[in-house]
Amino acid sequence: GEDVEQSLFLSVREGDSSVINCTYTDSSSTYLYWYKQEPGAGLQLLTYIFSNMDMKQDQRLTVLLNKKDKHLSLRIADTQTGDSAIYFCGISSGGYNKLIFGAGTRLAVHP
Amino acid sequence: EAEVAQSPRYKITEKSQAVAFWCDPISGHATLYWYRQILGQGPELLVQFQDESVVDDSQLPKDRFSAERLKGVDSTLKIQPAELGDSAMYLCASSERQGSGYTFGSGTRLTVV
Repeated sequence: GEDVEQSLFLSVREGDSSVINCTYTDSSSTYLYWYKQEPGAGLQLLTYIFSNMDMKQDQRLTVLLNKKDKHLSLRIADTQTGDSAIYFCGISSGGYNKLIFGAGTRLAVHP
Repeated sequence: EAEVAQSPRYKITEKSQAVAFWCDPISGHATLYWYRQILGQGPELLVQFQDESVVDDSQLPKDRFSAERLKGVDSTLKIQPAELGDSAMYLCASSERQGSGYTFGSGTRLTVV
């Protein structure tokens, strides 16, 4: 079945850029998402990209998709302490486009 | 902004007891999902509904878990009997159509003792 891998932890200084990476196995995935989860809360949709796109920018967020390498990344510009959370990539898979998630990347922002 | 409503927010139950969770998706969203998130892991899909029909329950432990969405609106997920390993966050999500952005509820945190 579909497998989604993420690095578990990222630490950045406030004001720097953060880059969170995700690799996946299903080359037929149509929709690729980034979600943010704060402690004790549900998942908040940040942004998404369709498989026919290479890049999408939304304010401080930039999503890059390399379909050849099955690699998805999320760049957060000017990272703030409020960006500290766990970030999940979600990859659509199967005939009903269910979302398969990675284990999440914990982003820690320090002064 | 429209939200996915879930209740209860927290639930503590003894093993071998029955427990149920409720989800009310965003109005008009045809697709509803139940996910389980074990601490430190990503969410895992348990069941997906399209209107009132189950379209994917391949990861649902059917010997103890059941889910229904009788009128194609709100949904209930039940566990009977609960086991210690069922302790997790149960997340409900809905989408207007398959593949559009999923909106998640705040989840129900279940602790089985």
